[in-house]
Amino acid sequence: DAGITQSPRHKVTETGTPVTLRCHQTENHRYMYWYRQDPGHGLRLIHYSYGVKDTDKGEVSDGYSVSRSKTEDFLLTLESATSSQTSVYFCAISEQSYGYTFGSGTRLTVV
Amino acid sequence: QQQVKQSPQSLIVQKGGISIINCAYENTAFDYFPWYQQFPGKGPALLIAIRPDVSEKKEGRFTISFNKSAKQFSLHIMDSQPGDSATYFCAPRMDSSYKLIFGSGTRLLVRP
Repeated sequence: DAGITQSPRHKVTETGTPVTLRCHQTENHRYMYWYRQDPGHGLRLIHYSYGVKDTDKGEVSDGYSVSRSKTEDFLLTLESATSSQTSVYFCAISEQSYGYTFGSGTRLTVV
Repeated sequence: QQQVKQSPQSLIVQKGGISIINCAYENTAFDYFPWYQQFPGKGPALLIAIRPDVSEKKEGRFTISFNKSAKQFSLHIMDSQPGDSATYFCAPRMDSSYKLIFGSGTRLLVRP
């Protein structure tokens, strides 16, 4: 999607290892979000950011941390990956008056 | 705590028919009511949205109906096409934090 990229697109990792997913935007939007998508649950908010170094928890934040040191980058870290964190992760950006723009997602498998 | 309830989970419609997806919410702090469309392997994309000061918004074949007193809003797809086959999410927004709260999704299949 234009203006927002996620990396990697796919990742397989072992239980107990740390994993970092990256979201990069070129739109200079203030707000950035990390969601996970699982069958039957829609998208659930993990963490979000409302500015550089300003972040807050979403509804499913346990086991995840985030950092935003620059406007354009929002990192999601799984401190010690578990099988329950196998999911598709989406990053999104927005300004106050507009809808979200989502990235193409990262498919993470924890084995 | 389920703030947003979306129905049905899945829907099959014949080409040319009307698709209707419903969303009920509990939180009166929502201030913006969008619908998102998602194709397999892609992120959700904004389809149409409505603000609570109007009861209906139409864009082409897509219409949102909003009932503030009942705390419900629905998506109507007129003249449904096979290309509309996708998963649809309602995702009302929290006014204080601009967070979207997603429904569980409706998988729509439009048969030729």
